Amino acid sequence: DIQMTQSPSILSASVGDRVTITCRASQSISRWLAWYQQKPGKAPELLIYDASSLKSGVPSRFSGSGSGTEFTLTISSLQPDDFASYYCQQYHSYFITFGGGTRVEIK
Amino acid sequence: QVQLVESGGGVVQPGRSLRLSCAASGFTFSSYAMHWVRQAPGKGLEWVAVISYAGDNTYYADSVKGRFTISRDNSKNTLYLQVNSLRAEDTAVYYCARATVTTTYLDSWGQGTLVTVSS
Repeated sequence: DIQMTQSPSILSASVGDRVTITCRASQSISRWLAWYQQKPGKAPELLIYDASSLKSGVPSRFSGSGSGTEFTLTISSLQPDDFASYYCQQYHSYFITFGGGTRVEIK
Repeated sequence: QVQLVESGGGVVQPGRSLRLSCAASGFTFSSYAMHWVRQAPGKGLEWVAVISYAGDNTYYADSVKGRFTISRDNSKNTLYLQVNSLRAEDTAVYYCARATVTTTYLDSWGQGTLVTVSS
């Protein structure tokens, strides 16, 4: 199985900060990577797919980049609604796997 | 709009069984592969199983293989997860999620149903 390693696991930041989360795959997954946001008590929501394609309706302050084994999710200017957990997910095969998650908390 | 509604969770003793359901609406259910993903309390997301749009192909995480069975009834727009031989470590919120037609990211999720395995 492909292992996904996210870092950091916890990120403390302030409103307006630029935030970057990293996701590394144990083998090349081309650009088959998605990012999700999850708020407490809620289901995850898709933000980005194919490494850098923004889902319709997602604010443009979110962006994704990378290919192969290293990927990043960037929030250009953190907003109050963005304090949540974020997960990467590879879909190189039917056996999808998630990263361990990054909790973005208020500094 | 796409809607996925899970049901069937509850408190169950170790070794017992449950059947989880996911009622789908707002899209052509029979055209999409469907997944179950779970999340233990305070933990991250863990993929559980997937079923192809026609129901003829299924895949499972090693942690549930042989104990869980994913199935679907396209005439009823419903996805199922039969969970047998439950263990304490199966305690989690179980989400159903829709994959896209051509790839396997999950573009719609249900609200989840909580399974608690406890004596």
